[in-house]
Amino acid sequence: AQSVTQPDIHITVSEGASLELRCNYSYGATPYLFWYVQSPGQGLQLLLKYFSGDTLVQGIKGFEAEFKRSQSSFNLRKPSVHWSDAAEYFCAVGARDNQGGKLIFGQGTELSVKP
Amino acid sequence: EPEVTQTPSHQVTQMGQEVILRCVPISNHLYFYWYRQILGQKVEFLVSFYNNEISEKSEIFDDQFSVERPDGSNFTLKIRSTKLEDSAMYFCASRPGQGTGANVLTFGAGSRLTVL
Repeated sequence: AQSVTQPDIHITVSEGASLELRCNYSYGATPYLFWYVQSPGQGLQLLLKYFSGDTLVQGIKGFEAEFKRSQSSFNLRKPSVHWSDAAEYFCAVGARDNQGGKLIFGQGTELSVKP
Repeated sequence: EPEVTQTPSHQVTQMGQEVILRCVPISNHLYFYWYRQILGQKVEFLVSFYNNEISEKSEIFDDQFSVERPDGSNFTLKIRSTKLEDSAMYFCASRPGQGTGANVLTFGAGSRLTVL
């Protein structure tokens, strides 16, 4: 069955510390891969995406993610977290033959940032 | 930056009542979607809509649900007779389908539905 797993429900990091949010997927073929962020009262904002090519992708707000086919993973990283990064982060996958429109989401990781 | 607009932001309704959630997708987008998130659970796909018809729907999207694009700008989700388990945040999304960002969904801020 197709699924996305974000093993960490809640993570707390100190401001200025590095961050890695984990995402693993189970899918028949390499899907399109996405990370979205949701701040309170806001919609789901795209951070970055992987379709093909370089497996290290850069996104907005200083985030990056690395696609590892052998591990079926697409972990999100940021070298230095800011207090404004506190939000919920969702990993999602979409089928290439569906052009990525129908997404399967992970359960989300809530990030708290300590001053 | 263009955005997807959803109304209302929060609606409270009695069980059995009809609810219409409204969305204004980005104007040049061709593909439209509804997703929902029950509190504490994953965001789930409900339905996709293209060229004035449903292109795909999930098993959640039963006969109680319908979608419509009545006037070329709005995209609505109707729940005919709401149940307690319909309480959720409903997200509308759209994507261009061609050109830059063809396969990237832009989501609205969501409509929270509470069924009492």
